[in-house]
Amino acid sequence: ETGVTQSPTHLIKTRGQQVTLRCSSQSGHNTVSWYQQALGQGPQFIFQYYREEENGRGNFPPRFSGLQFPNYSSELNVNALELDDSALYLCASSYPLSTDTQYFGPGTRLTVL
Amino acid sequence: DAKTTQPPSMDCAEGRAANLPCNHSTISGNEYVYWYRQIHSQGPQYIIHGLKNNETNEMASLIITEDRKSSTLILPHATLRDTAVYYCIVRVGGNKLVFGAGTILRVKS
Repeated sequence: ETGVTQSPTHLIKTRGQQVTLRCSSQSGHNTVSWYQQALGQGPQFIFQYYREEENGRGNFPPRFSGLQFPNYSSELNVNALELDDSALYLCASSYPLSTDTQYFGPGTRLTVL
Repeated sequence: DAKTTQPPSMDCAEGRAANLPCNHSTISGNEYVYWYRQIHSQGPQYIIHGLKNNETNEMASLIITEDRKSSTLILPHATLRDTAVYYCIVRVGGNKLVFGAGTILRVKS
């Protein structure tokens, strides 16, 4: 069974640029959630995708957008990067049963200069 | 989702049991208690979850009080590799995870 994978591991961008982060869900999981973790804080929910549709969103502006593909992999896109977007971006996959457990990938460290 | 309260930090001697408390006095009847941990700069790792009954797996045990207002995560024989931030989360299945500050567990030799 393959776990959740994310790419790239690290990324450096400059303010105003756009970035795409990728996530492959764990085998058998059709739901992907994205979280942002700033330094020294707990992860914060960005949004969730289920069967290629957004299924819940946290308090993040529209420049944070996502996609889920038929194979359940997912992308997180961030436009017009700001310095405060520097963070660890985490992807978690799950299968929506009554107690669906979310399993996290290793994360992508984004630095915005 | 109900809020949780955890001590900011705890120390534990290597080889001893680590008992991490969590208060969730406003938990609803359909909310589960989940525990995750995060080792520095890695993704959170799922540990265990439960609804009413005590649970045990290869990593830990979860003890939930009868009124469900608090719980304790037990690592039976802590090792240095168990040093991490431990998060207690209550949620209804399918919902987002709401992370608090967690408890920093330091296992010392």
